[in-house]
Amino acid sequence: GAVVSQHPSWVICKSGTSVKIECRSLDFQATTMFWYRQFPKQSLMLMATSNEGSKATYEQGVEKDKFLINHASLTLSTLTVTSAHPEDSSFYICSRRRGSDTQYFGPGTRLTVL
Amino acid sequence: GESVGLHLPTLSVQEGDNSIINCAYSNSASDYFIWYKQESGKGPQFIIDIRSNMDKRQGQRVTVLLNKTVKHLSLQIAATQPGDSAVYFCAEKGGDSWGKLQFGAGTQVVVTP
Repeated sequence: GAVVSQHPSWVICKSGTSVKIECRSLDFQATTMFWYRQFPKQSLMLMATSNEGSKATYEQGVEKDKFLINHASLTLSTLTVTSAHPEDSSFYICSRRRGSDTQYFGPGTRLTVL
Repeated sequence: GESVGLHLPTLSVQEGDNSIINCAYSNSASDYFIWYKQESGKGPQFIIDIRSNMDKRQGQRVTVLLNKTVKHLSLQIAATQPGDSAVYFCAEKGGDSWGKLQFGAGTQVVVTP
């Protein structure tokens, strides 16, 4: 069964609004979770590493003030896309680590910004 | 946004045949490799993994081969089925990457009857 859930599965919003995406680890406490973005016909690009109880670590080129990550509990990480614009439209996927290396992914959230 | 003109490499396989998907990785220090399957509109699904101290690992209908000399990884799927149609990604973890994965470009597998 699924070990990571995401909510919502899809969202449509107007340009300039903010959107929050939730990622839950269902079967295991996760001190570290990851957020990825995937454009059509492309690979997954890591955006940031979400650490429980501390600040997220962002990859080069990812604006931390635009993509706010909160990992307030061992089972929940949230990604908020602030002041979303059409170029932010993408498939956002989170994952959690099992053991030291393997990552298990959520079902993804399709964001469309009009 | 969307990259106009970008397309995934495609492997067309007849149902029942074996599939071989190849991946060249970049970091000679990578010590862990994973293959994922992604169906349209879904998140990646774990298939099989291998550590750098191995050169072959088998699962159910799948085999992963690792050639560290040429930094090459392959996924073999035996007796390919229509349900195997998906995009397949390889991912590598560097020895010092704190668990972060670097994904390959992906290969679209299309199973024909």
